[in-house]
Amino acid sequence: GAVVSQHPSWVICKSGTSVKIECRSLDFQATTMFWYRQFPKQSLMLMATSNEGSKATYEQGVEKDKFLINHASLTLSTLTVTSAHPEDSSFYICSAMPIAGGWSDTQYFGPGTRLTVL
Amino acid sequence: AQSVSQHNHHVILSEAASLELGCNYSYGGTVNLFWYVQYPGQHLQLLLKYFSGDPLVKGIKGFEAEFIKSKFSFNLRKPSVQWSDTAEYFCAVGGNTNAGKSTFGDGTTLTVKP
Repeated sequence: GAVVSQHPSWVICKSGTSVKIECRSLDFQATTMFWYRQFPKQSLMLMATSNEGSKATYEQGVEKDKFLINHASLTLSTLTVTSAHPEDSSFYICSAMPIAGGWSDTQYFGPGTRLTVL
Repeated sequence: AQSVSQHNHHVILSEAASLELGCNYSYGGTVNLFWYVQYPGQHLQLLLKYFSGDPLVKGIKGFEAEFIKSKFSFNLRKPSVQWSDTAEYFCAVGGNTNAGKSTFGDGTTLTVKP
């Protein structure tokens, strides 16, 4: 149980294009999902909290107009990297928190999406 | 603001050796503490978590961690490691006012030699 998927698992795009990454909770509902960015040999950096039916909450320093988040249903959140540039190349990971647990519940992580911008 | 410090960046052990990975945190309120593991090529998985109660928490695969409030620590232990424990280990802290948000440490790479 508690499986989170991401699609695509890796993507290569040209500079200036936009890329959409999907995060799905497969066997549970999640009002809250989180998007992280992980650089090689480094920890996860929280980018934003995605809330179903409302606007995402972005961490300080994260451009909300560049990283568009949509949480349209209880099982799907999307992250769109707009006008991607090489410095956006990274490993993007989402996590989902089951709906029933409230603040104390555990996050379940997706496998990540490797984005390479040429 | 909360922060997490993992002191060991890379630990190399032989099979059957005992393991202890350090984790210290900084947070002003009631904390939730987690250890996650990331095996090579796989996604993050929860090893164990502490919310309240017994400060000695047992997780999967023989891992345990002890919450010592006075030391702001949540060290991960395993009495006898196996080659399959080779992975990246992350300590994370969340608070009950953060709506589930967690702050992660930089991670510790564990290499177990067969």
